[in-house]
Amino acid sequence: GAVVSQHPSWVICKSGTSVKIECRSLDFQATTMFWYRQFPKQSLMLMATSNEGSKATYEQGVEKDKFLINHASLTLSTLTVTSAHPEDSSFYICSARARTDYQPQHFGDGTRLSIL
Amino acid sequence: DAKTTQPTSMDCAEGRAANLPCNHSTISGNEYVYWYRQIHSQGPQYIIHGLKNNETNEMASLIITEDRKSSTLILPHATLRDTAVYYCIVRVPNYGGSQGNLIFGKGTKLSVKP
Repeated sequence: GAVVSQHPSWVICKSGTSVKIECRSLDFQATTMFWYRQFPKQSLMLMATSNEGSKATYEQGVEKDKFLINHASLTLSTLTVTSAHPEDSSFYICSARARTDYQPQHFGDGTRLSIL
Repeated sequence: DAKTTQPTSMDCAEGRAANLPCNHSTISGNEYVYWYRQIHSQGPQYIIHGLKNNETNEMASLIITEDRKSSTLILPHATLRDTAVYYCIVRVPNYGGSQGNLIFGKGTKLSVKP
């Protein structure tokens, strides 16, 4: 089945640091990629949607200058959490979908970010 | 907001069939029903999806009622590894910037017991 690889799995860093998370589709071309955030005991919340070569579309309440998304190729998207603070600590999950409409989204295994 | 309603939790005995219900009474004619599951501390795993016909794959079966207002995911022989949160999601049509993303509700926490 389709595989989405997310790296790193865990990040622990000091407050004020910027952190980059990579998301790759390994066996298909991902026209659209999505970034979600999940707090403990809560469901996934969509942060932003990006198409290859276009600017990302952010959900209401998500700071685009805080969470920089780059979708430079059909197999790679990155999320950079700039000047991270403890309240940014969360489980970040990427998802990718191929061009064909109504094909399922496939998810990475997530990145657990802890800001000290 | 999620467009589906699922029970908060369910238990199932190992080796028995697990039947997970989902209500989606406001589903539109061109919207598919997707099922995903999330095992603790992992990303969601795609299980199955369908429009109006029943579907089956190596993981599960999906039964959709004729009026499409509800569906049931069936795991034919549940194992301990099937313990997870199961999400039933109606795929929203493309609009604005969200472009047909999946909106997750609270899902059903399935506990498979020995």
